[in-house]
Amino acid sequence: AQRVTQPEKLLSVFKGAPVELKCNYSYSGSPELFWYVQYSRQRLQLLLRHISRESIKGFTADLNKGETSFHLKKPFAQEEDSAMYYCALSGPGAQKLVFGQGTRLTINP
Amino acid sequence: EPEVTQTPSHQVTQMGQEVILRCVPISNHLYFYWYRQILGQKVEFLVSFYNNEISEKSEIFDDQFSVERPDGSNFTLKIRSTKLEDSAMYFCATWEGISGNTIYFGEGSWLTVV
Repeated sequence: AQRVTQPEKLLSVFKGAPVELKCNYSYSGSPELFWYVQYSRQRLQLLLRHISRESIKGFTADLNKGETSFHLKKPFAQEEDSAMYYCALSGPGAQKLVFGQGTRLTINP
Repeated sequence: EPEVTQTPSHQVTQMGQEVILRCVPISNHLYFYWYRQILGQKVEFLVSFYNNEISEKSEIFDDQFSVERPDGSNFTLKIRSTKLEDSAMYFCATWEGISGNTIYFGEGSWLTVV
């Protein structure tokens, strides 16, 4: 079964502190993993995907196949990072996205 | 940046009424999707559409739901006889069809069934 688990519904950190949003997945095969972000009253936007291995807005995520995890990290949080973050997976070529529950990240000044 | 456009942004309808949600895909995109998010729950896949037919659908997408692209531009989701539990945010998404390219989401249509 395809499943994405984000164990934290809410996460609150202070500005300048490190951030880690957890994501674990279940998939038989080689999925493609994504992080989407939704700022207040805006659309879902792709933040990053594991195959590109790039850093967007200071965020990085490493796919750990042994632990079936794809945690999102940022060393120094900024107030504009406050948003809803969704981890998602898809199978190769299928492009149907399976989303986690989402984590609401709040950065306190 | 290209955008997927959805209308209406918010609709209130009475139970049992038919609702049509509209999506204008990005012009060169070939794959179209509907997702839904009930308040406080996760974003769930409903249906994917390619080459004028449904390519995949979830168990949520029962006979009450249908999709079509009648005029080659709008991609629509119809709910035939709405139920209270259909109240949700409905997201349209589109994809160019090239592996590695991004799926783009619309801003969503918030449906409230009363």
